[in-house]
Amino acid sequence: EAGVAQSPRYKIIEKRQSVAFWCNPISGHATLYWYQQILGQGPKLLIQFQNNGVVDDSQLPKDRFSAERLKGVDSTLKIQPAKLEDSAVYLCASSLEQLTDTQYFGPGTRLTVL
Amino acid sequence: GDSVTQMEGPVTLSEEAFLTINCTYTATGYPSLFWYVQYPGEGLQLLLKATKADDKGSNKGFEATYRKETTSFHLEKGSVQVSDSAVYFCALSDSNQAGTALIFGKGTTLSVSS
Repeated sequence: EAGVAQSPRYKIIEKRQSVAFWCNPISGHATLYWYQQILGQGPKLLIQFQNNGVVDDSQLPKDRFSAERLKGVDSTLKIQPAKLEDSAVYLCASSLEQLTDTQYFGPGTRLTVL
Repeated sequence: GDSVTQMEGPVTLSEEAFLTINCTYTATGYPSLFWYVQYPGEGLQLLLKATKADDKGSNKGFEATYRKETTSFHLEKGSVQVSDSAVYFCALSDSNQAGTALIFGKGTTLSVSS
């Protein structure tokens, strides 16, 4: 079974530029999560989707971050404009359904904002 | 809100030593508890989980028991190997919340030498 795929693996941008990350969850997984992991900390939820609907985006900085999952499969996370403090690893995870505990994580995208 | 506190690292051990990584939690509901591991250069992987009080999760020689009375989920292994060197994250998922995202501790780095 293929795992959660993410791209790119690494990205370096200047502050105030925009960037987008892509995630392809495990086939058949209805629930998709985006987490932000700042160096030295545990991952923190940004947004959770159930199929193509948003379940929880309470911690998403909506003035600069946006995410979509139009067909209930792939998802993109965008930052516009980026700030220095957005430097982090962005992790995508998926689970079979919302009330299933086990989440499967992708390798992450490491973003550096200069 | 819900939170997870785990012991600060790094933890440095010799091969075959006994390992304990402490984890305590605060939750309003009845959370499921998890240990995830991140090996160098790899993504987060589920190590073990427990879904109710007194449950014991186990995998690859690691164990953790869900202790509701002490709100703890300490990770233990009787004899560590060099290959266990990684970052370990304690996490909870509270089904009473609107979403089911994981709330992580800050992580504990384990380094095992031969």
